[in-house]
Amino acid sequence: DTEVTQTPKHLVMGMTNKKSLKCEQHMGHRAMYWYKQKAKKPPELMFVYSYEKLSINESVPSRFSPECPNSSLLNLHLHALQPEDSALYLCASSLLIRQAGDGELFFGEGSRLTVL
Amino acid sequence: GNSVTQMEGPVTLSEEAFLTINCTYTATGYPSLFWYVQYPGEGLQLLLKATKADDKGSNKGFEATYRKETTSFHLEKGSVQVSDSAVYFCALGAREGQNFVFGPGTRLSVLP
Repeated sequence: DTEVTQTPKHLVMGMTNKKSLKCEQHMGHRAMYWYKQKAKKPPELMFVYSYEKLSINESVPSRFSPECPNSSLLNLHLHALQPEDSALYLCASSLLIRQAGDGELFFGEGSRLTVL
Repeated sequence: GNSVTQMEGPVTLSEEAFLTINCTYTATGYPSLFWYVQYPGEGLQLLLKATKADDKGSNKGFEATYRKETTSFHLEKGSVQVSDSAVYFCALGAREGQNFVFGPGTRLSVLP
């Protein structure tokens, strides 16, 4: 099983809503990531969890709140978002964080978020 | 810090044409190198990788060779198809003290 599964695939929310994005992997990876991707741009790193602990927060606004309940699951809680937060949100995993040698990231299909 | 430069395109080719997408990098140490592909409306998929100098990665007719002397990892395909239309990202793998780094992406359109 080499899949990273993200739900929902599409989400439309108002600026006062609270919603969550979910990500799941069963490859035994101990590093999980949230990326944000705007149109025609590369993915931008938001958060990294290593062994279920938040390891990197790239100065992301507090209206985005990550959570890693266990080694297979990663959530991104959304509250009071702005229209400029509309983007494709990608989850990824890797065996370990910043490991030597191969460091492949495995990506999910993404959740396309529209904030009205 | 580490960085990746690649031709941004868009690149437009006719079917069966030869493809080259240039990628050069700046890095401390010797990170792994990757090409990821993103088809319209989808996430990123690993296309190929190379973990050390002179390694050649290949997949689906695409090839790239890790050139330490020129710090390059150019992507090539001998005969492109319409189905190869996508955005291609060159990337540096994570190392101690360095995150995964993506290039800006190159949009490829292949016309029938």
